[in-house]
Amino acid sequence: QVQLQESGPRLVKPSETLSLICTVSGGSISNYYWSWIRQPAGKGLEWIGRIYSTGNTDYNPSLKSRITMSVDTSNNQFSLKLYSVTAADTAVYYCVRGVPPDLDYWGQGTLVTVSS
Amino acid sequence: QAGLTQPPSVSKGLRQTATLTCTGTSDNVGNHGTAWLQQHQGHPPKLLSYRNNNRPSGISERFSASSSGNTASLTITGLQPEDEADYYCSAWDFSLSAWVFGGGTRLTVL
Repeated sequence: QVQLQESGPRLVKPSETLSLICTVSGGSISNYYWSWIRQPAGKGLEWIGRIYSTGNTDYNPSLKSRITMSVDTSNNQFSLKLYSVTAADTAVYYCVRGVPPDLDYWGQGTLVTVSS
Repeated sequence: QAGLTQPPSVSKGLRQTATLTCTGTSDNVGNHGTAWLQQHQGHPPKLLSYRNNNRPSGISERFSASSSGNTASLTITGLQPEDEADYYCSAWDFSLSAWVFGGGTRLTVL
């Protein structure tokens, strides 16, 4: 059974960088797409971007200028960096495995709060 | 980012049937398939159906998905209290090269 676990700081100051890592267990990170999705409290899902195990990426056009995603196949991990954060970036962040249109394995999610 | 359109809420009685809809375009729902997700409060979403109509292992047969043109539907028969949740549709948009979601439908079982 594939499992995903998000890790990283839960509190980030405005204008700084949000950094998260997703560790995949129970299966290989190779040959799959891996996405980050976020959900502000009481709101819907927003796709942030995805990375293939070879490193190819697609990003949400509305966030593209502030995102970098990377993959570390040797440690079965992938990561997200979101730059210049504001309070609007406060959300639960999920890491997810997916082959369009299906998002089949989700992490438990981690709440990241942007506040000084 | 253009999204898919879902009704914000649906209410049905116990043991009744609910049909949730999701409208997109030919760039996403119409030609490239839709998936449905169920989310209970405080939990991550769970995949209910994939590739238009296939149920993952462990998902009840009471859940079935279909699509026609640019609209996808999720039908839940014999509604149970545990079906009360938020339901999201998702699709890959080939013109945007981006995953798009519906705004979610909150299903209330009366």
